[in-house]
Amino acid sequence: DTGVSQDPRHKITKRGQNVTFRCDPISEHNRLYWYRQTLGQGPEFLTYFQNEAQLEKSRLLSDRFSAERPKGSFSTLEIQRTEQGDSAMYLCASSFPGTRTDTQYFGPGTRLTVL
Amino acid sequence: QQQVKQSPQSLIVQKGGISIINCAYENTAFDYFPWYQQFPGKGPALLIAIRPDVSEKKEGRFTISFNKSAKQFSLHIMDSQPGDSATYFCAATHNNNDMRFGAGTRLTVKP
Repeated sequence: DTGVSQDPRHKITKRGQNVTFRCDPISEHNRLYWYRQTLGQGPEFLTYFQNEAQLEKSRLLSDRFSAERPKGSFSTLEIQRTEQGDSAMYLCASSFPGTRTDTQYFGPGTRLTVL
Repeated sequence: QQQVKQSPQSLIVQKGGISIINCAYENTAFDYFPWYQQFPGKGPALLIAIRPDVSEKKEGRFTISFNKSAKQFSLHIMDSQPGDSATYFCAATHNNNDMRFGAGTRLTVKP
């Protein structure tokens, strides 16, 4: 499978715990994006990387959230001191800009439930 | 954060009918307008996309109509099938940076 992969697919945690999600983009894609989707809503942008550089962060990305892409390949999204309001689907996407058909391709998502 | 308004919220269509979903945007800097299809528990999958230099794009049963002056675009699904039942999201982006999504339309195609 050459698509975007995310791990884990589901995560249940207790309030106050830290969680980390991983995203592996399509291999030749140098841009990687994180979105959050709550039930019944469209995805909301969190942050994106071009190679290892984090180029933009949304106001939604509070100081409890941190994302990294250390070698310009896979990325991790960590949430510290989780809150019930963090319960959502966390989506990763990747793209290869500079082409006529550059498009963000999404992974299957990680569903987080904070108890 | 929402800069793209989508309607209707839900849509029920008979098999073989035409499904039409509309979106309006605010930011004239947007230069790429994709539509995504999402099934429950899955990530969004790209369906079809358009750039503002064309007014219409057709791929199989799916057509995007784009009206730059009105800042509106729509998705038409011809000959709708029960397998098309899903949630559809319009989106818009500038230079493929952060993508702004509509709130989604839940389509049900009745057999």
